[in-house]
Amino acid sequence: AQSVTQLDSQVPVFEEAPVELRCNYSSSVSVYLFWYVQYPNQGLQLLLKYLSGSTLVKGINGFEAEFNKSQTSFHLRKPSVHISDTAEYFCAVSEGYSSASKIIFGSGTRLSIRP
Amino acid sequence: DTAVSQTPKYLVTQMGNDKSIKCEQNLGHDTMYWYKQDSKKFLKIMFSYNNKELIINETVPNRFSPKSPDKAHLNLHINSLELGDSAVYFCASSQEALYNSPLHFGNGTRLTVT
Repeated sequence: AQSVTQLDSQVPVFEEAPVELRCNYSSSVSVYLFWYVQYPNQGLQLLLKYLSGSTLVKGINGFEAEFNKSQTSFHLRKPSVHISDTAEYFCAVSEGYSSASKIIFGSGTRLSIRP
Repeated sequence: DTAVSQTPKYLVTQMGNDKSIKCEQNLGHDTMYWYKQDSKKFLKIMFSYNNKELIINETVPNRFSPKSPDKAHLNLHINSLELGDSAVYFCASSQEALYNSPLHFGNGTRLTVT
């Protein structure tokens, strides 16, 4: 069964600094990877997804992530963060091919931006 | 133009009561879900319906009963509420019940059981 690990529960950074949020997964088969963002008192929104093809995936709001199969990682990066990026970020993995496939979420990383 | 809407947004009730949460999506999606997010932000799938048919039923107490009257609606009824049921419940939908279909979430229902 697949699992997702987000090692950092909180990441504080200064505004305009770069940030990397780490995500590692475990699975015995090919996986499909997602990053979602949750702003305060809202539901989750899709930032980006990796299904196949180029290992560097670009998403909304200037975020990107790189799929590294050998390291089983899918880290999220942004070169320069803004106050508005303050949110909870969730990495997720899906390995099912059937109609009952599930998306499993990591425990989340809280990104807090300091002015 | 809310894509996935849940009601109510907040629900405060006492132990032992029965309550329902409603969810509607106007995206034309075939698949709908219920997720539970606990106080540590951990998000876990509870149920999934595809075209009104239950396809995922995780290990959830049978006090929780989902109902899908049509593919645009998925309601969650909870009997005999317990303190441990306090959480934020998210409804979500996806175009298909497939691995590559992103989820669209509602804004959540914060359930507090006292």
